[in-house]
Amino acid sequence: NAGVTQTPKFRVLKTGQSMTLLCAQDMNHEYMYWYRQDPGMGLRLIHYSVGEGTTAKGEVPDGYNVSRLKKQNFLLGLESAAPSQTSVYFCASSAVQETQYFGPGTRLLVL
Amino acid sequence: RKEVEQDPGPFNVPEGATVAFNCTYSNSASQSFFWYRQDCRKEPKLLMSVYSSGNEDGRFTAQLNRASQYISLLIRDSKLSDSATYLCVVRGNAGNMLTFGGGTRLMVKP
Repeated sequence: NAGVTQTPKFRVLKTGQSMTLLCAQDMNHEYMYWYRQDPGMGLRLIHYSVGEGTTAKGEVPDGYNVSRLKKQNFLLGLESAAPSQTSVYFCASSAVQETQYFGPGTRLLVL
Repeated sequence: RKEVEQDPGPFNVPEGATVAFNCTYSNSASQSFFWYRQDCRKEPKLLMSVYSSGNEDGRFTAQLNRASQYISLLIRDSKLSDSATYLCVVRGNAGNMLTFGGGTRLMVKP
């Protein structure tokens, strides 16, 4: 039982490049989330999903897109990376109204 | 004003000390409250939920004051392994959305 996994663990991008971060969970959770964590800011919700095929905006959605084609996967896309998107990205999943479990994070550096 | 505010610290304490962290939240409609622990370069993990009557888990005691909108975490007999960042987390009254404080860093020294 791997819980929540994230791919890749670390990535360096140049401004304007695109990339997709993959989150996978094996706990059959309905809800999945993408957060970013910046120094002193705490975790901020980017997008979330309450079920397969559904997504919604969180607190800081601009510059990101998401898709939830399969229940176990939640993808976060950056179409045109900017230095302001340098951050640590955490994915989480939960059953409805239950504890959120986090993945190990993806460190992204945009030059 | 941030929705959930914490003193960032760091709190430097010797082993065996008792240390307390406070957190304030702005949304009076918040329903649930938690403390998460985050080790350096790792993901957050749930430490404990916080109940209105206060609750204890071993050396950790959490309390909630709804009237003043603050949450506290008390750690007794600090261990070196308690060194981490402690995140105050609040869940609102819609869905399962969490709002995180910026975290309080604790460093326990020998």
